[in-house]
Amino acid sequence: DVKVTQSSRYLVKRTGEKVFLECVQDMDHENMFWYRQDPGLGLRLIYFSYDVKMKEKGDIPEGYSVSREKKERFSLILESASTNQTSMYLCASANLGAVAKNIQYFGAGTRLSVL
Amino acid sequence: DQQVKQNSPSLSVQEGRISILNCDYTNSMFDYFLWYKKYPAEGPTFLISISSIKDKNEDGRFTVFLNKSAKHLSLHIVPSQPGDSAVYFCAASAGDTGNQFYFGTGTSLTVIP
Repeated sequence: DVKVTQSSRYLVKRTGEKVFLECVQDMDHENMFWYRQDPGLGLRLIYFSYDVKMKEKGDIPEGYSVSREKKERFSLILESASTNQTSMYLCASANLGAVAKNIQYFGAGTRLSVL
Repeated sequence: DQQVKQNSPSLSVQEGRISILNCDYTNSMFDYFLWYKKYPAEGPTFLISISSIKDKNEDGRFTVFLNKSAKHLSLHIVPSQPGDSAVYFCAASAGDTGNQFYFGTGTSLTVIP
């Protein structure tokens, strides 16, 4: 089974703090993604990466950055956390192979509260 | 602007009956559609998918229907079971955007025993 692990289930941070959310996948997937989930808005893509050191902006990249130094690890960084970044953050990975190409596998999520 | 819409935030169904979850999309370039299921405190898990070259795909109790002309897809669950109670998200992608997906807002299904 594919396993996508997010380092924290719950985080509470102060406004202005730098926040790191870590995600690790164990299936050698090329693609990794960060989403945030908010009530009434569904899942919105923040950033994705299709290879080591490569990144692409999603729909809502403002206030976030990412890092992918190793294939299995994709980090989301909030440079200066703000209260409007309080949300559930979901990491996902996917394989570029021909079979099941478009299926994303998700971690359990990190619920971040910024006070 | 939301490219994938699920207009029903919630749905309640009796156990054993059919559950029908609906999804509409606006981008005619979308050619692959998926449904995910999400339990509280867990990440979404893949349920079923359909390519735009088909209009129906079945997997056990789950069937997805695609109406390209109406830009509409639906997920049918027959018979519904209490364990199906979860939030269901539809997602869509266009071939030229690689693995980038657009998700709907989700429908919370409650199956009443």
